[in-house]
Amino acid sequence: NAGVTQTPKFRVLKTGQSMTLLCAQDMNHEYMYWYRQDPGMGLRLIHYSVGEGTTAKGEVPDGYNVSRLKKQNFLLGLESAAPSQTSVYFCASSRSTDTQYFGPGTRLTVL
Amino acid sequence: DAKTTQPTSMDCAEGRAANLPCNHSTISGNEYVYWYRQIHSQGPQYIIHGLKNNETNEMASLIITEDRKSSTLILPHATLRDTAVYYCIVRVRGGSNYKLTFGKGTLLTVNP
Repeated sequence: NAGVTQTPKFRVLKTGQSMTLLCAQDMNHEYMYWYRQDPGMGLRLIHYSVGEGTTAKGEVPDGYNVSRLKKQNFLLGLESAAPSQTSVYFCASSRSTDTQYFGPGTRLTVL
Repeated sequence: DAKTTQPTSMDCAEGRAANLPCNHSTISGNEYVYWYRQIHSQGPQYIIHGLKNNETNEMASLIITEDRKSSTLILPHATLRDTAVYYCIVRVRGGSNYKLTFGKGTLLTVNP
């Protein structure tokens, strides 16, 4: 049981480039989440999904898009990366609005 | 979600019990107390949660006062690997409460 995994672990982008972060969970959880963590800011919710085929905006959705085509995967896309998106990104999943289990994170730097 | 107050930092000797306090004086009847921790550069790790009864699992014990206005997370035999930031979170389970709100937490340093 791998839990929640994230790909890649590290990435450096140039301003304007695009990329997709992949989150996968093998716990058959309905709910999945993307957070970002910045120094002194705590974790902030970007987008979330309450089931396959559904997505919703969190606190800081601008500049990001998401897709949940399969129950076990939740993708976070940056269409045109900006330096302000330099952060550590965490994915989480939960059975319902219950305990959330987090992945190891993706450290993204945008130059 | 109710506001929580935790000490900024604490120290503990290896092998001793670590007792981490949390105040949540405005907690409402349907709010649970959750504890997570985050070891440097890793994802937050769920530890334990409870409503009003004391809870214990393989990682820790959670003691909630009778008036539910405060709680204590107990790591019975702290190891160096328990050095982390510990977050106390109060939230409603169910409904449309999707967000976990992490405050600043307590940096626990376990010393040899």
